[in-house]
Amino acid sequence: KNEVEQSPQNLTAQEGEFITINCSYSVGISALHWLQQHPGGGIVSLFMLSSGKKKHGRLIATINIQEKHSSLHITASHPRDSAVYICAALFSYNTDKLIFGTGTRLQVFP
Amino acid sequence: EPEVTQTPSHQVTQMGQEVILRCVPISNHLYFYWYRQILGQKVEFLVSFYNNEISEKSEIFDDQFSVERPDGSNFTLKIRSTKLEDSAMYFCASKDSSGNTIYFGEGSWLTVV
Repeated sequence: KNEVEQSPQNLTAQEGEFITINCSYSVGISALHWLQQHPGGGIVSLFMLSSGKKKHGRLIATINIQEKHSSLHITASHPRDSAVYICAALFSYNTDKLIFGTGTRLQVFP
Repeated sequence: EPEVTQTPSHQVTQMGQEVILRCVPISNHLYFYWYRQILGQKVEFLVSFYNNEISEKSEIFDDQFSVERPDGSNFTLKIRSTKLEDSAMYFCASKDSSGNTIYFGEGSWLTVV
């Protein structure tokens, strides 16, 4: 069964801390997305990865295909980073159907 | 920054009524999607649409649901005979042919009473 698991479910941090959110998936994938869901509900795409590492500003996403694992890192966290971070996977090259994880709720305190 | 727009942002409807949720995808995008998120649960795929037809649909997307691209800009989700369990946030999304980034709308929150 195609499943995506995230940990932790909830994460609190002090401003400036380095944050890591983990995502693992059950079987091979064609690509993995990291998304941010705002408190109002809107979803923003952060990264799409099929291998290696990507960086955008203070955000870094890595993926290890052999270990079926991806991480999202936030350096120098800030209260405005508070949101739910979701990983979602495409389990085949022939599908457009994203399978979502449960999300990690991050709160960064000043 | 281009964006996907959805209307209405929130709709309350009586059980059994029909609802149409509207989306305007980004103008040069070719792939369109509807997802939903029941309160407290994961986001779930409903349907994908390409070249004026459904390309993939989930088991949730039964005969109660339909999608349409009535003109060059709008993409709609129709829910017939709504049930209490249809209450959820419905997200429209689109992407271009490169497929690297998927753009989501802000969501339409549907409450069935």
